[in-house]
Amino acid sequence: SQTIHQWPATLVQPVGSPLSLECTVEGTSNPNLYWYRQAAGRGLQLLFYSVGIGQISSEVPQNLSASRPQDRQFILSSKKLLLSDSGFYLCAWSSSGETQYFGPGTRLLVL
Amino acid sequence: GQNIDQPTEMTATEGAIVQINCTYQTSGFNGLFWYQQHAGEAPTFLSYNVLDGLEEKGRFSSFLSRSKGYSYLLLKELQMKDSASYLCAVLNAGNNRKLIWGLGTSLAVNP
Repeated sequence: SQTIHQWPATLVQPVGSPLSLECTVEGTSNPNLYWYRQAAGRGLQLLFYSVGIGQISSEVPQNLSASRPQDRQFILSSKKLLLSDSGFYLCAWSSSGETQYFGPGTRLLVL
Repeated sequence: GQNIDQPTEMTATEGAIVQINCTYQTSGFNGLFWYQQHAGEAPTFLSYNVLDGLEEKGRFSSFLSRSKGYSYLLLKELQMKDSASYLCAVLNAGNNRKLIWGLGTSLAVNP
């Protein structure tokens, strides 16, 4: 069966510090991968998606970036965090672009 | 534009039946999803409808009318653990296969 992991589970970072969130998927090959952000009381915002190694599509211009160095690894990064980057970051995978399955999420608080 | 509408909040009584509606206006359609999200957790997949009609899965059923741009999620024999946010999402057409998300309906089940 497929599983998706995210870490860390929670993170408190100062404004201006860098960020690296990691997501890995097990039990499937060549998945579509997604990064979402969910701000408090708001809907899911798609940040990036990837259909293969090195293929990243950005949905919202911002100070975040994503990379996919391996087939089942998806990384979300920032060089300098802003207060507005606080939120719940969710990684998801899908096969052939259908049902998306979410990881447990990372709760980020920027102070 | 693309838009998905759901009621913001609903309340119901344990043991009762509740129907959560979702209307959508999208440039393309490749199916509609319902997800459940408990507070502080990631969304979990509930149902997928691509053809008109009712899909039943245990206590949960989902209905779709493509001509009306309308879906509902029906929860029967409500339990306290059903208190959660219910998210409606439409799979876009085309190569990007992105999900367009509603803001979710927060359901409170009272004893």
